[in-house]
Amino acid sequence: QVQLVESGGGVVQPGGSLRLSCAASGFTFGSFGMHWVRQAPGKGLEWVAYIPYDGSNTYYADSVKGRFTISRDNSKNTMHLQMDSLRAEDTTLYYCAKDSGTYASDIWGHGTMVIVSS
Amino acid sequence: QSALTQPASVSGSPGQSITISCTGTSSDVGFYSYVSWYQQHPGKAPKLLIYDVTKRSSGVSNRFSGSKSGNTASLTISGLQAEDEADYYCCSYVGASTWVFGGGTQLTVL
Repeated sequence: QVQLVESGGGVVQPGGSLRLSCAASGFTFGSFGMHWVRQAPGKGLEWVAYIPYDGSNTYYADSVKGRFTISRDNSKNTMHLQMDSLRAEDTTLYYCAKDSGTYASDIWGHGTMVIVSS
Repeated sequence: QSALTQPASVSGSPGQSITISCTGTSSDVGFYSYVSWYQQHPGKAPKLLIYDVTKRSSGVSNRFSGSKSGNTASLTISGLQAEDEADYYCCSYVGASTWVFGGGTQLTVL
């Protein structure tokens, strides 16, 4: 069935780096744009980044621009989020989500938790 | 990219109808007809309910409906059921392949 599985979360010190992955299955991964969305514990959703189906461009929320890099490997049905210069406020649950093709996200993973703490 | 404004909480009794508002600006909600709504139960991933302001996602009950007027979008849930108790988020496309979510609304079924 259609599925997204995130991995790579963990505990990292402020200023450190972490690379998240999102493995897709059950749909033609290379035909759809993909998003990263995050949610701090007990807080709301925050859109983080988007990459089109072909990886031709990348787009970011102001809060992560210049620190995070979204990428994808369509041959491996995988998307990544490279997170550098991490801050305490980046401590959240990170979801990957499939773009529906209609400016919405119709499939979501279960998330991977990132904790930035010394 | 300021977050869209939603009421923190709404409540209703079983069988009633409730409406959750989502207020943006003329640069996001008011400009684009690309508002989506998500339902999130505790400890679960968000689920797409509505896209393109009014269109229901596959398999979503017709008790859920969306609308928009000016800079404010709305989600209406009719025939409220206990299982509808969850957090609800609106989201708007804001151009240049970027999006913004609302702060979320906690729905309590009394």
